[in-house]
Amino acid sequence: NAGVTQTPKFQVLKTGQSMTLQCAQDMNHEYMSWYRQDPGMGLRLIHYSVGAGITDQGEVPNGYNVSRSTTEDFPLRLLSAAPSQTSVYFCASRSGMTYEQYFGPGTRLTVT
Amino acid sequence: AQKVTQAQTEISVVEKEDVTLDCVYETRDTTYYLFWYKQPPSGELVFLIRRNSFDEQNEISGRYSWNFQKSTSSFNFTITASQVVDSAVYFCALRPAQYGNKLVFGAGTILRVKS
Repeated sequence: NAGVTQTPKFQVLKTGQSMTLQCAQDMNHEYMSWYRQDPGMGLRLIHYSVGAGITDQGEVPNGYNVSRSTTEDFPLRLLSAAPSQTSVYFCASRSGMTYEQYFGPGTRLTVT
Repeated sequence: AQKVTQAQTEISVVEKEDVTLDCVYETRDTTYYLFWYKQPPSGELVFLIRRNSFDEQNEISGRYSWNFQKSTSSFNFTITASQVVDSAVYFCALRPAQYGNKLVFGAGTILRVKS
């Protein structure tokens, strides 16, 4: 049971490049989310999903896309990276039967 | 709207001192959940505790204790006899019951425990 996994751990992009941050969980959790962490701002919700095929926007969705084709995977896509997207990204999952969210180890993204 | 305020940006203590991290929240929901997470220097987020809005009992777990006061919308966290390993960023978070996935985080408090 690996929990929530994220790849890559580190990534450097140039402005305008696109990429996908991967997130997977093996706990059969219905709920999955993406957060970004910036200094002095805590974590802010980007997008979330309540099940396969269902996604919705969080607090800071602009510049990001998500999809949830399977229960296990919840990739986050940056279509055209901007320096403002330099951040640490965390994926999280939760079972509908519990309260706690389980977080992945994070992806540190730098956009130059 | 939901909001969590952690007014203490950074706290420094000497080992064995007690320290309290403050958390004040705002919500119009009657049912909600409050959480504390620890983020050590390694960067992962470690779940510490969850409290339901309808349960105001305080909780103690070893050197950690939590004081939930609905009347003042506060959910403070105390570490007794702090240790260097307690050095981390601590986040308080709120989730209204109706929002299955929307955790609202405070800005975090950096705790530095010196030996």
